[in-house]
Amino acid sequence: AQSVAQPEDQVNVAEGNPLTVKCTYSVSGNPYLFWYVQYPNRGLQFLLKYITGDNLVKGSYGFEAEFNKSQTSFHLKKPSALVSDSALYFCAVRDTGTYKYIFGTGTRLKVLA
Amino acid sequence: DADVTQTPRNRITKTGKRIMLECSQTKGHDRMYWYRQDPGLGLRLIYYSFDVKDINKGEISDGYSVSRQAQAKFSLSLESAIPNQTALYFCATSDHDRGSTGELFFGEGSRLTVL
Repeated sequence: AQSVAQPEDQVNVAEGNPLTVKCTYSVSGNPYLFWYVQYPNRGLQFLLKYITGDNLVKGSYGFEAEFNKSQTSFHLKKPSALVSDSALYFCAVRDTGTYKYIFGTGTRLKVLA
Repeated sequence: DADVTQTPRNRITKTGKRIMLECSQTKGHDRMYWYRQDPGLGLRLIYYSFDVKDINKGEISDGYSVSRQAQAKFSLSLESAIPNQTALYFCATSDHDRGSTGELFFGEGSRLTVL
């Protein structure tokens, strides 16, 4: 079965410092991987995706993610965190057989001023 | 106007009542999904539909039913609500035509409280 793990419930980082939010996956076949962000009282918003090609994917709001096939990871990164980046972040994988999207449990990012 | 609209945004009801959550979209996507979000559990798939005549159960469909009234409308029903169905519910759509990017587009959510 396909699955996604986000090992950290919360990540704290100082404003201006680099941030990483971790995600590992388990899939059969080639993975379709996504990151979404949820601000309070809002729906999820798409940040970026990996389908194929370059392992470093760039997305919205200065975020990027690195696909690592050998470590089955797709960590979200940003070189310099902003207080406004504080939100709940979800990693997801699309099941290549059923086209269902499977989400991790989410990581709350808190950027401290 | 939002591309994916959910109604109601908030609802408080009592155990045993029938509840319907509605979702409509203007994106023209064939695929629609209902998820529920619970703290610490992430998003879990309730039902999904790839077109008007195709409806599939997700991982937690017990106690729920759905109706795909048109390409643009996908409603979720709780026939007899119970307290552990208290959650935030999301509708989402996706496009899988050739050349599409395949990400999900979410509504703003419907917060349901069952007393």
